[in-house]
Amino acid sequence: GQNIDQPTEMTATEGAIVQINCTYQTSGFNGLFWYQQHAGEAPTFLSYNVLDGLEEKGRFSSFLSRSKGYSYLLLKELQMKDSASYLCALERNSGYALNFGKGTSLLVTP
Amino acid sequence: DTEVTQTPKHLVMGMTNKKSLKCEQHMGHRAMYWYKQKAKKPPELMFVYSYEKLSINESVPSRFSPECPNSSLLNLHLHALQPEDSALYLCASSQDIGTAFVEQYFGPGTRLTVT
Repeated sequence: GQNIDQPTEMTATEGAIVQINCTYQTSGFNGLFWYQQHAGEAPTFLSYNVLDGLEEKGRFSSFLSRSKGYSYLLLKELQMKDSASYLCALERNSGYALNFGKGTSLLVTP
Repeated sequence: DTEVTQTPKHLVMGMTNKKSLKCEQHMGHRAMYWYKQKAKKPPELMFVYSYEKLSINESVPSRFSPECPNSSLLNLHLHALQPEDSALYLCASSQDIGTAFVEQYFGPGTRLTVT
């Protein structure tokens, strides 16, 4: 297994910034994905990191450090619609399937 | 068209029934996936098809039988399921599995209840 860990739940205020962490224990993977999943809906792609560093995409940024086995998703200028589950996933070396972490349920409050 | 469609949206079946879930995409993707997602859990990979051939089977019980009749369609045939198989079944597709960074596009899922 790849032991992908994320906090179970987080709460943040509308307009604020929140950081969702993901740690993992594996030596081999192609890259790390972040997906957003609203209740009852399909996961949707947010970001992908293959090299160490920060990838910025509008209000969302994702960071990867392979040496530390660590990634985070940064959400800025939070909106109510950002309340969702955020899934960290590792792309396998072979077959390119995804192993998902347990997900972090984010609640954005007024 | 960046959509993956799945039918039916909801399915209730008895343990002796035979049913099928269907998934379709018209993005020209050559890799298709089945995931199972229990409530408040992440998706778990079941099967991967690449160029219409089964490339990964995550030791899924034989009561689940996948089929890829062509590059746009993916089926999951169900037979003699157990109540614990009740879950959301997600289909996904991606452009190719021969290169890295293959963003997967997910369908809305079929919510299956086994009684």
